[in-house]
Amino acid sequence: AQKVTQAQTEISVVEKEDVTLDCVYETRDTTYYLFWYKQPPSGELVFLIRRNSFDEQNEISGRYSWNFQKSTSSFNFTITASQVVDSAVYFCALSEAEGGGSNYKLTFGKGTLLTVNP
Amino acid sequence: DTGVSQNPRHKITKRGQNVTFRCDPISEHNRLYWYRQTLGQGPEFLTYFQNEAQLEKSRLLSDRFSAERPKGSFSTLEIQRTEQGDSAMYLCASSLGLAEAYNEQFFGPGTRLTVL
Repeated sequence: AQKVTQAQTEISVVEKEDVTLDCVYETRDTTYYLFWYKQPPSGELVFLIRRNSFDEQNEISGRYSWNFQKSTSSFNFTITASQVVDSAVYFCALSEAEGGGSNYKLTFGKGTLLTVNP
Repeated sequence: DTGVSQNPRHKITKRGQNVTFRCDPISEHNRLYWYRQTLGQGPEFLTYFQNEAQLEKSRLLSDRFSAERPKGSFSTLEIQRTEQGDSAMYLCASSLGLAEAYNEQFFGPGTRLTVL
């Protein structure tokens, strides 16, 4: 069965600091997808990135970057020069179609609460 | 707005009452998911529809829970004889199903249920 672990429950930084959110996953499938979602205080989950298991290239999008390493089953997320608006709960998630079916349900970690102080 | 919508946004009920939530997915999406999120936890999968067919139910979905998706459009999630442990945020997500390919899940704003 799949599992996602986000060991950091809460992180607090000062604005403009860089911060890395850790994510470790477990799966027996060779084909799977990894995600990061942001959940601001309003509650709606906002999609940030998707990675499939065959693409280990790191990705940068503005101040956000992601480091996917299959060897350590990790998919870490870094925010550079953090801002107060980055304050939210961040979730890492894993998806695989069990039995080769069409149900790509997401398995989420418990989330990391990031607080960026001015 | 063409995103996923959920109603009501908040529901307060007394233990033992029945409640029903509605989810309107993005119009061309044929896959629909329900998740439940309790305080301090990530969302947990409840059930999955492809068009009108309910193809999978989690063990979290007790007999008091039922979900439908008539005509493959909107979906409803009903909880009968609510218990305090049902208090949570109920999230709906939809995705465009193309054969067996993966497609992005888009989430609605959720319905927050409080059982007194």
